[in-house]
Amino acid sequence: AQRVTQPEKLLSVFKGAPVELKCNYSYSGSPELFWYVQYSRQRLQLLLRHISRESIKGFTADLNKGETSFHLKKPFAQEEDSAMYYCVVVIYNQGGKLIFGQGTELSVKP
Amino acid sequence: DAGVTQSPTHLIKTRGQHVTLRCSPISGHKSVSWYQQVLGQGPQFIFQYYEKEERGRGNFPDRFSARQFPNYSSELNVNALLLGDSALYLCASSLGPGGEETQYFGPGTRLLVL
Repeated sequence: AQRVTQPEKLLSVFKGAPVELKCNYSYSGSPELFWYVQYSRQRLQLLLRHISRESIKGFTADLNKGETSFHLKKPFAQEEDSAMYYCVVVIYNQGGKLIFGQGTELSVKP
Repeated sequence: DAGVTQSPTHLIKTRGQHVTLRCSPISGHKSVSWYQQVLGQGPQFIFQYYEKEERGRGNFPDRFSARQFPNYSSELNVNALLLGDSALYLCASSLGPGGEETQYFGPGTRLLVL
C-alpha cells in the first residue's frame, strides 16, 4: 500500500540553524512527490515539487529512490518558516489522488 | 478570485444525522477533490471529480458520497453520521484531473458530531 511517513511530529530549531524535515514513502510505481505547507491561519498550499527541481523560499528537496526518501532541507531557518509541513505522494492512476504524511510542525525560535 | 470557497465554515451535528458540505472551485478549474483531516493527522483523500465524473475514491464507507455540478462546484454528503466523522473537511481544486496539477485548497469545513 502507498504510504508516506514523516517521523517527526515536531521539529524545533533556532533561527539561522539548518533544517531537515524527513519524509519516507512506499509506492510501487514511479512517484511524484510534493511538499505542502500550512502557515498559521492560512490555507494548505504547495511549497515545491520534486519534478521541477526548484528552490522555493530557500527550501530544496531531493528524491532518493534508493532510500525512498524526499527530505526537505533549508540551510538557514527563518522565523517565518514556522509552519506545518506535509510530504505528499501523488497516485496518478487514481485520479491524481494525493497521499499525505502525518505532517511535521516546524518551530523556528528567535 | 477569492480562491476555493467552502461552506459552511463549521457545523455541529448529532449521531445519525446527515450533512452536506459545499465547495466552489477557482474559476476555470474543472477538478475538485475532497479530503478529511482528523486532528493530528494529514489530510486523507475521499473523492476526486473531474468534468462531473468521479475519477478517484478513497477508502471511505458508502455513507460518503459526492457530486459535481455543471458549474464545477461540488457537494460532499455524509449519511448516518458517526462520532468518528468529526474532522476538518477540505476541498481542493485544480485545472485538470492529473496529479501533476497544483491543487489549491479551501479553508475547510469543521464538522463536529456529538
